[in-house]
Order: sequence, then C-alpha cells, then structure tokens
Amino acid sequence: QSDLTQPPSASGTPGQRVTISCSGSSSNVERGTVHWYQQVPGTAPKLLIYGDDHRPSGVPDRFSGSKSGILASLAISGLQSEDEATYFCAAWDDILNAPVFGGGTKLAVL
Amino acid sequence: HLQLQESGPGLVKPSETLSLTCAVSGDSISGSTNYWGWIRQSPGKGLEWIGSFFSSGNTFYRPSLKSRVTISGDTSRNQFSLKVTSVTAADTAVYYCARVGHSSHWAPDHWGPGILVTVSS
Repeated sequence: QSDLTQPPSASGTPGQRVTISCSGSSSNVERGTVHWYQQVPGTAPKLLIYGDDHRPSGVPDRFSGSKSGILASLAISGLQSEDEATYFCAAWDDILNAPVFGGGTKLAVL
Repeated sequence: HLQLQESGPGLVKPSETLSLTCAVSGDSISGSTNYWGWIRQSPGKGLEWIGSFFSSGNTFYRPSLKSRVTISGDTSRNQFSLKVTSVTAADTAVYYCARVGHSSHWAPDHWGPGILVTVSS
C-alpha cells in the first residue's frame, strides 16, 4: 500500500485530454510540493512535473500539473500513443521526513 | 550532463547484506546544494524511498528500514553506497539511485537506470 493514492489505471483515445489524480494528506500533498513521473517498462522514472506545476526543459506543454488541498492532478492534453506509460506522483512528507510516492497509474492509449 | 549509475551484485542470499554503489558524474556529491538518495521498486509495485545522503555527510533513513540500512558517501570517487542487512525476499526490487535537486523544488530529478537485485538462495 502506497503513501499516496492514485487510480491503478486510466485510458483515453488519441487527441483526448486525460486527468490522473493523486490523493495524499496534510503532511505531504497539502503542505509540500507535488512531482509527477512517467515510467516506461524497463526504464527509470522520468521527471515530468515538479513543484506542483513546473515542467523540466524538454517536457511538452501537453503535460500540466495542479493541486488543491490534499489532491493533486496531472493532465495530459492531445493524448498520443507515446504517452502510454505508468505515471507516479510524489511529495515530501513532513512526518516521515522523506519523499513518498503514489502506487502509479497505468495509462492506456486506445 | 548529470549521470548516475548503480552497480553491485544482482543476486543476494537471504539473511546476507545487499551492497550497491552509485557513481555520479556531472555533479559533486560533496559540494552540491542537492542531495542524493536510494529508491526501490518491487516487481509490479510502486516506488519506495529508502534513504538520503547529504553533502554534509548526514543521512536520513525511512523509519521502517532504519535498523537495516546504511548510506555512505565516498567523495574522492564521487559515489555513494547503500547497504541493507539481513535481507529477505521482500527486499527483491529494482534499486535506483537519484539526485534530489534544489532547482527542481527538491524533486528526485535525475535517476540511474536501476539495478535488479534478487534475494534468493
């Protein structure tokens, strides 16, 4: 069981907009900043969004992050087949004094 | 260009010690405002933060693993290491080393490719 809660799966068709949620608590998502990762099987997670809504250089603006209270969201617009991957959220936890992660959401592009 | 690379045995026997090293290039583990950590991912499961190493030499460990984990740094080789004692099958996972970046709001922003460690006799 992960510290942050994500839906196990999501799906969309090419061109569609999909949203993935991440629920935490006052000690992590609400108080800290949320980061999102994309992981393709057999590779390390890649940072997609940091500090709730910032994109590292090279990440398309189709990816965006938002947060309200204990709930954070990752939105992917203009869905492409290459977006098929597992997406993880992460946040610093003030009680654990460590980053905590969600269980991951496997995105299928139908 | 920052790169991290894990190395170590891929197979460890139950009750023995798992030892991994992360070689860092493109940043200094001693002079950096960033810090460094180990993360693991059990087969088909999520990510778990194991512990952190700071340029000051301080360390911090996940409470549930604290009694079995040691993270240390070798500044002369610009690498840091992980030791997990008394391993069981539950410690079988892909182990990643990562940098936690000040400029990325303390996100683990660069990761090594990962190394699969299997605990089995």
